[in-house]
Amino acid sequence: AAGVIQSPRHLIKEKRETATLKCYPIPRHDTVYWYQQGPGQDPQFLISFYEKMQSDKGSIPDRFSAQQFSDYHSELNMSSLELGDSALYFCASSLGPEVYNEQFFGPGTRLTVL
Amino acid sequence: AQKVTQAQTEISVVEKEDVTLDCVYETRDTTYYLFWYKQPPSGELVFLIRRNSFDEQNEISGRYSWNFQKSTSSFNFTITASQVVDSAVYFCALGPGKGDDKIIFGKGTRLHILP
Repeated sequence: AAGVIQSPRHLIKEKRETATLKCYPIPRHDTVYWYQQGPGQDPQFLISFYEKMQSDKGSIPDRFSAQQFSDYHSELNMSSLELGDSALYFCASSLGPEVYNEQFFGPGTRLTVL
Repeated sequence: AQKVTQAQTEISVVEKEDVTLDCVYETRDTTYYLFWYKQPPSGELVFLIRRNSFDEQNEISGRYSWNFQKSTSSFNFTITASQVVDSAVYFCALGPGKGDDKIIFGKGTRLHILP
């Protein structure tokens, strides 16, 4: 069965550069979630989208922005990168944001900021 | 506020021993879900189980079993006859709750299975 696709899987950037992470949800899934997992940390919720509208927001820095497109894929844009942004970024998708809809996680994008 | 506590930061056991990973949660929601995920060294999050707050039946899947006790707000995970391949970080998680999209993760328990 098709799973959540994230690209790229690995990304290396310099400080102050920008990065764009992409997430392709499972077909027919209309809700996307972004999580950030720092080294040795638990995943932290950043932001979510349902039907191309932001549905919930967590601890996402102002330097980050995200959107969901008409085909339901989502992009996380990160500007003025800092060393502390080095982390594993997970995307998850679900069919609807309701409480009973399971979130399926992608394999993650590992971002390293040098 | 929602919170997940995994008091065991790191556990080491010898192969073939049984091991239980503890998870205690806090929530004001009446409807919620509890999860366990495995994160091997490769980094991906491997879904293990999702449990509805209304279903307190314990579950067994091969060498894995889960004990959900609403009275103590605990959702413990036991691996029987552990194997080296079980070595990973295990996360207990809660949510989403009503009007809240996110999954709240515990800090994780790093499990070492020694040969």
